[in-house]
Amino acid sequence: AQKVTQAQTEISVVEKEDVTLDCVYETRDTTYYLFWYKQPPSGELVFLIRRNSFDEQNEISGRYSWNFQKSTSSFNFTITASQVVDSAVYFCARSQGNLIFGKGTKLSVKP
Amino acid sequence: DTGVSQNPRHKITKRGQNVTFRCDPISEHNRLYWYRQTLGQGPEFLTYFQNEAQLEKSRLLSDRFSAERPKGSFSTLEIQRTEQGDSAMYLCASSWAGPYEKLFFGSGTQLSVL
Repeated sequence: AQKVTQAQTEISVVEKEDVTLDCVYETRDTTYYLFWYKQPPSGELVFLIRRNSFDEQNEISGRYSWNFQKSTSSFNFTITASQVVDSAVYFCARSQGNLIFGKGTKLSVKP
Repeated sequence: DTGVSQNPRHKITKRGQNVTFRCDPISEHNRLYWYRQTLGQGPEFLTYFQNEAQLEKSRLLSDRFSAERPKGSFSTLEIQRTEQGDSAMYLCASSWAGPYEKLFFGSGTQLSVL
């Protein structure tokens, strides 16, 4: 199976720290998309970003940034100046018709 | 846009009983997906529909599971003869047609089989 691996099960930081969530994926496809979703305690998965395999430019959206490197099959997510509201489980996923998700990283941001 | 709606939010049942969940997708979306999520795991794909056609089913979807989307709008997921291993959060998502579209998720139905 072509997996998505999120090696960090849990991360705990203090507010205002920067934090990077790692994602490594496997694929034999030349065209694919990668996603990040956030799952707050309420449970509903919230879409954060989608990137296609031909666009390796880093992307920044406010305090969030994403680093996509095909050479290492990685799509890492950085939160700058973390806030308590960032506490959630974050999932990386790869498209395969449907989405294949990693196991998630639980981020706890303490005040 | 009212989002993806799932009912019920919680379901407690006894082993051996049948249960049915409903999902109402975003109205203009062609695709509807069912996922299952257990504690500490990511969502696992079960099946998806494009309009009323069920296009793919995971090997996770045993014979006791059946999903329908009769008019290409809402969908139901039925589990027959429930087992304790079926306890999980069942998530529904919808999207526009296409293999790379982002999915919009509902809040899920939490199933507990006693």
